[in-house]
Amino acid sequence: GAGVSQSPSNKVTEKGKDVELRCDPISGHTALYWYRQSLGQGLEFLIYFQGNSAPDKSGLPSDRFSAERTGGSVSTLTIQRTQQEDSAVYLCASSLRRGGFAGELFFGEGSRLTVL
Amino acid sequence: GESVGLHLPTLSVQEGDNSIINCAYSNSASDYFIWYKQESGKGPQFIIDIRSNMDKRQGQRVTVLLNKTVKHLSLQIAATQPGDSAVYFCAEDFWAGNMLTFGGGTRLMVKP
Repeated sequence: GAGVSQSPSNKVTEKGKDVELRCDPISGHTALYWYRQSLGQGLEFLIYFQGNSAPDKSGLPSDRFSAERTGGSVSTLTIQRTQQEDSAVYLCASSLRRGGFAGELFFGEGSRLTVL
Repeated sequence: GESVGLHLPTLSVQEGDNSIINCAYSNSASDYFIWYKQESGKGPQFIIDIRSNMDKRQGQRVTVLLNKTVKHLSLQIAATQPGDSAVYFCAEDFWAGNMLTFGGGTRLMVKP
């Protein structure tokens, strides 16, 4: 499709398990972002990729969180040893990033993670 | 740290009325602002943006106003429709910034 695609759309896991969330950005978009949204809250920045490199990992909440991007396209967000406070919707966005601004971000529909 | 926006207040309006959603930002370095609309179960969707060298920008039924003196943004929706019911987020950016910083959002409820 033409939009940002995320999978799985829903994930229920047990505390302590590892999870992987996948994001397939819009073709040609060089910038990719992960945000987290807790219920009824705003968007919390996690990490930003420009191409395959991550110049800004400042938002990752702990060392249990990691992300990678390969081929300048698909990105995977991995959460190890999940905790109940990790329960949230994880949103991925991509943009063309013209010039120095992040630009218009195009969001996927998110991956809802529930940790029991 | 510096932040944008409000903590999810709710605005209830009658269908056909105009809506005004407000947002305060505190990062004086921000020079690009965007409003997003998020419907239930979906990702945020771009509505309109404005650069800091402007104080007003109009789109289709929407207008964004920027007051840099008091660091305030507003989104005006004309003739609000039931399909406008959603959570609205303001976001800020600055040159060479790495990401958009989002506010807490405002829930807009449109009564038929």
